[in-house]
Amino acid sequence: QQPVQSPQAVILREGEDAVINCSSSKALYSVHWYRQKHGEAPVFLMILLKGGEQKGHDKISASFNEKKQQSSLYLTASQLSYSGTYFCGTEPGDYKLSFGAGTTVTVRA
Amino acid sequence: NAGVTQTPKFRILKIGQSMTLQCAQDMNHNYMYWYRQDPGMGLKLIYYSVGAGITDKGEVPNGYNVSRSTTEDFPLRLELAAPSQTSVYFCASRGTGGSGEYYEQYFGPGTRLTVT
Repeated sequence: QQPVQSPQAVILREGEDAVINCSSSKALYSVHWYRQKHGEAPVFLMILLKGGEQKGHDKISASFNEKKQQSSLYLTASQLSYSGTYFCGTEPGDYKLSFGAGTTVTVRA
Repeated sequence: NAGVTQTPKFRILKIGQSMTLQCAQDMNHNYMYWYRQDPGMGLKLIYYSVGAGITDKGEVPNGYNVSRSTTEDFPLRLELAAPSQTSVYFCASRGTGGSGEYYEQYFGPGTRLTVT
């Protein structure tokens, strides 16, 4: 069963912040976040493992609430290069990811 | 390392034709996957493999077949192509470490397939 992502789309001005949410009805072992630019393959951002660990990557960070089976991706002080579609991939521990429908982020100057 | 490679990049098929999408990885990864991505949608798992000689179905396997005779290669076969198979196909691979180690998936550049 695929995770649910929200919002579907968000428009930001450079320097603004955004949060993308991902929730699953299954018990999860890990959550993966990817970004995809138009016409390209998804690019890995980070993995969060069971245990509620928060991770960061430049000004992009994420958290994982294993009790609620939810993860959030935080875009801080957005840059033009952050534009793209963000996907969460959830995994119960069987090495098979289920991907959400994606959140399209547009950052404008 | 070339990572994950896919051929061809683009292909147009007529209804009823067959073809094989090629995927190879040079990272000695055990796990390999085939996904399809329809316009504006997420990725759906077609088939996956946990090692040479072992494959299993994903969410949307109908109309496709796979084989894995080596660690490096994981081809996807489309038999009797239908317009519903028009999509972008991504191959991915993933390494596995010791107990408790989880690694990212690496995606190939994709094959854009149109069936008319």
